[in-house]
Amino acid sequence: GAGVSQSPSNKVTEKGKDVELRCDPISGHTALYWYRQSLGQGLEFLIYFQGNSAPDKSGLPSDRFSAERTGGSVSTLTIQRTQQEDSAVYLCASSLGTQMNTEAFFGQGTRLTVV
Amino acid sequence: AQSVTQLDSQVPVFEEAPVELRCNYSSSVSVYLFWYVQYPNQGLQLLLKYLSGSTLVESINGFEAEFNKSQTSFHLRKPSVHISDTAEYFCAVREGGSEKLVFGKGTKLTVNP
Repeated sequence: GAGVSQSPSNKVTEKGKDVELRCDPISGHTALYWYRQSLGQGLEFLIYFQGNSAPDKSGLPSDRFSAERTGGSVSTLTIQRTQQEDSAVYLCASSLGTQMNTEAFFGQGTRLTVV
Repeated sequence: AQSVTQLDSQVPVFEEAPVELRCNYSSSVSVYLFWYVQYPNQGLQLLLKYLSGSTLVESINGFEAEFNKSQTSFHLRKPSVHISDTAEYFCAVREGGSEKLVFGKGTKLTVNP
């Protein structure tokens, strides 16, 4: 596609429910990143994929968070048993990933609100 | 592990004034440095980047940043800002040998008439 696409754009869920956030990277981009943007906290790194594998998942806040990527393309971030502190904008980015200097392109994000 | 510090969370300035947004990083290895901008209700987009070579890098809209290795800084400057520069600016660093891109907490620049 023309850019990184994330869905849904907004999600309101009840505390304790599971949610899935989807990211469609730019076609041909091998690296894919997930970040969380909270008020006053900047962009918090969650996980990144190179192809279908995740060399660095050190930013996942707890075992309620998981992510997968299939076919070297679409990625899903799953949050189980959501808590109010999970409320944030979840951003996905992709890059060519083969060089250290390649630019990361961001999607518009999914705004998650846990009530 | 690398980290990025943006010393100012908010910077208000008047139109046509100069501005400097500060960024310091911590890393013991070679780094690549980036500034991203997020305009109101829009996604993040790359403003400029330092990879190697000249320590002064420029963007197409008049911003520039200088890599200072001894001070581990990558401050963003513009000699004369416009109201349209109002946005949140994020500094980011990637260490050589890693794909992980780490961001600072951002600086909200507000340009007033």
